[in-house]
Order: sequence, then C-alpha cells, then structure tokens
Amino acid sequence: NAGVTQTPKFRILKIGQSMTLQCTQDMNHNYMYWYRQDPGMGLKLIYYSVGAGITDKGEVPNGYNVSRSTTEDFPLRLELAAPSQTSVYFCASIAGGRPQETQYFGPGTRLLVL
Amino acid sequence: DAKTTQPPSMDCAEGRAANLPCNHSTISGNEYVYWYRQIHSQGPQYIIHGLKNNETNEMASLIITEDRKSSTLILPHATLRDTAVYYCIVRVGGGGGTSYGKLTFGQGTILTVHP
Repeated sequence: NAGVTQTPKFRILKIGQSMTLQCTQDMNHNYMYWYRQDPGMGLKLIYYSVGAGITDKGEVPNGYNVSRSTTEDFPLRLELAAPSQTSVYFCASIAGGRPQETQYFGPGTRLLVL
Repeated sequence: DAKTTQPPSMDCAEGRAANLPCNHSTISGNEYVYWYRQIHSQGPQYIIHGLKNNETNEMASLIITEDRKSSTLILPHATLRDTAVYYCIVRVGGGGGTSYGKLTFGQGTILTVHP
C-alpha cells in the first residue's frame, strides 16, 4: 500500500489564482481530513469527509472547497488564492468503525501565495 | 475534545530517557490520550494512545495518572532521530459518527536530542 499520497509537493501561486490539491489513499478508508499548518503552529482542520458524497467544514474552511466522489480521493480546491493561504497542507485518513484507530497522514503540500 | 497543555520545549541527551509531560485536566471519561510527532515538517506520525491504563509499544511508553488528568510520554533511549515536535491530543474514541477521528492540535513540545 502507498498509504496517503499528496500532489503536488510544492507550488507557488499568484494572488487570485486557483488550484486543486490532490489527496489519494489506497487503504479503503472511509474518513478523510484536510489540515493546514502555518509556521510554528499546530495543524488546523479545514474540511473532512465521513464517506463518498459526504463532507463537512472543520475549524478553518473559508477560502476552500472539497468534494468526495470516490472513497479514494479527497481533493481540496482553492478558488481565489490569498497570501493568508500560504501554508503546508496535510491530508489524512482513518478507516472508521472501530473504537480506537490512528490517523495516517500524507507527506504534505507546501503552498506559497505571492 | 479536551484541551491539553504541554511545555513548549525540552532537551534530552542521546541514549537517555525522554519524558514528555501533558496536562489534560478536563478530560472526559470516553476520551483517549493520543501522542503524535512531527519530524521537520513531515506529516504527523502516530506514536501511541491510551484510555486509562499504561501502554507500551515499540516506540514509546505512555503513563496516564490514575485521575487521568495528566500523562507522560516516555522515549526510553532517545536518539538524534527523535528530535521532533511532539503533540499530545485528547479525543473521543467511539466507532464512528461525524466527529470521529478529528484531531485538535496544540503547539506541542519541541524535543531536541543532543549528542
């Protein structure tokens, strides 16, 4: 299994541009999450999904959109990039359904908005 | 989920035990204590978790006080590769539901292991 994969690894955007951060997991996990991490800070939850077709907002959803058309993929969309969205973005997944499970994180996407 | 308090930084000599404390005085009965670490901006890595009993795995030990208001992560023989930010997170267990699995990260403890 590749686990959780993210693309691209690094991207520079101009203010107002759009892009999609890709996240794929091959573990057949139901639950998937997008976090962002600003320098020197902990991770903050942007959006999450409990299964295909079901998504919900996390702590910092403004400026982002998500979709979940398949179990494997959970893309994060930035429509109008702003400097405040400069951050490292992590995708994570968990199977769901058992009392205790651990999250698996992807390697991250570094985004710089200029 | 209950909030946690960790020291911002700690040092440890290589080969010695690293003991990282965490306070979670408002923890509820159904909340687990999880520890993750993040090495140099990589994705967070799971270390260990527990409910009320002490736990040990190949990476670390977790000691939870009897009142469950605090815990300590122990790395028995720290190496230079253990230098990382360590996060203590408290969250509800359970088998599903819309809040399942969401993690609330604080700023963690920066552990520096010295030669």
